Amino acid sequence: EVQLVQSGAEVKKPGESLKISCKGSGYRFTGYWIGWVRQMPGKGLEWMGIVNPGDSDTRYSPSFQGQVTISADKSISTAYLQWSSLKASDTAMYYCARHRTYGSGNPCTMDVWGQGTTVTVSS
Amino acid sequence: EIVLTQSPATLSLSPGERATLSCRASQSVSNFLAWYQQKPGQAPRLLIYDASNRATGIPARFSGSGSGTDFTLTISSLEPEDFAVYYCQQRSNWPPGFGGGTEVEIK
Repeated sequence: EVQLVQSGAEVKKPGESLKISCKGSGYRFTGYWIGWVRQMPGKGLEWMGIVNPGDSDTRYSPSFQGQVTISADKSISTAYLQWSSLKASDTAMYYCARHRTYGSGNPCTMDVWGQGTTVTVSS
Repeated sequence: EIVLTQSPATLSLSPGERATLSCRASQSVSNFLAWYQQKPGQAPRLLIYDASNRATGIPARFSGSGSGTDFTLTISSLEPEDFAVYYCQQRSNWPPGFGGGTEVEIK
């Protein structure tokens, strides 16, 4: 079974650092980009960026460039999303998703999703 | 950056009725548009990719159409499990992005 399993919920204080993970299984991890999507409480979906686990190439939405770091370790089939200094406005649910293309165009159709990681930032 | 506008924001229907959801792009996205369903407390699920192709395991009552700037997701006869929020998403230009969502609620 193809699946993405994310790390557990986090509660942090403003200014702290954080790294959450997303482990893929059931497919060739290096064959697909992995990306992250934010969903703030009661709001819609926001695409953050993607990483190619094969060569660690990354692409970011301008809204998130410089705010987070996306990476992957292909040896353990795991992608990461990290912050160096959290803000209260980072409080949200974060989903990882396998990205693919169905023949042409950007590899950004999300066909498999993780269960989500809740991040709460509060003093 | 391409903006996707979904309408209506909320659709109130009864089981068995037909649902028609709209997604309009601020510029052409060709057919590089997907639809996702999200139920409360769950991750989104891919329904339709490249405007009109059902993803694996998606029932035939879901169909997508359109190209360029105007797209439609149709649910031919609503089942109880179809009441959820639906998002469109384009992958034509960077960055890929989502529409604001349409909630299909029980009337």
